[in-house]
Amino acid sequence: AQTVTQSQPEMSVQEAETVTLSCTYDTSESDYYLFWYKQPPSRQMILVIRQEAYKQQNATENRFSVNFQKAAKSFSLKISDSQLGDAAMYFCAYMNSGGYQKVTFGIGTKLQVIP
Amino acid sequence: ETGVTQTPRHLVMGMTNKKSLKCEQHLGHNAMYWYKQSAKKPLELMFVYNFKEQTENNSVPSRFSPECPNSSHLFLHLHTLQPEDSALYLCASSQVILAGGSSTDTQYFGPGTRLTVL
Repeated sequence: AQTVTQSQPEMSVQEAETVTLSCTYDTSESDYYLFWYKQPPSRQMILVIRQEAYKQQNATENRFSVNFQKAAKSFSLKISDSQLGDAAMYFCAYMNSGGYQKVTFGIGTKLQVIP
Repeated sequence: ETGVTQTPRHLVMGMTNKKSLKCEQHLGHNAMYWYKQSAKKPLELMFVYNFKEQTENNSVPSRFSPECPNSSHLFLHLHTLQPEDSALYLCASSQVILAGGSSTDTQYFGPGTRLTVL
């Protein structure tokens, strides 16, 4: 079974600074998808960024980028120029490709942005 | 309405009550999901529906009964719940690609229903 580990329960970052959230996963599959979701205090879970395992290039989305290390099974999220609105729970998630829709989530990292 | 909506947003019920949670997706997706989110635990997948057919029941107790009348609506009927069932219940939807049954699209979530069982 796949597992997703987020080892940082809480993180804080100064506004306008950069922060990196860690995620590792365990799988025996070679083709899969990885996601970072953000859940602000209002609770709506929002997709931040997504990475296909077969793509070597790291995904980016504006101020958000990932460092995908397939061999190490690591998928960290970097938030640049942090803003107050970035404060939220961040969940790392994994999904097999090939007809299997089950998404495995990590336990989450709570990010605090300090003005 | 856009995206995935859920009603009610908050629900308090006694252990003998019967209530239902409703989810509606406005994204034209063909798959819908129920998740349970408890504090300090990863999201737990409860049920998966593809094209209105249940394709996964993740060992959920029978006091939770899902219903999917069409691809846009999903219900979770609740009866004789326990206090440990108190949690945030999230609905999600995605587009499942038919050929080979592979799903390559992302799941989009609703805002959730905060359920408290007294």
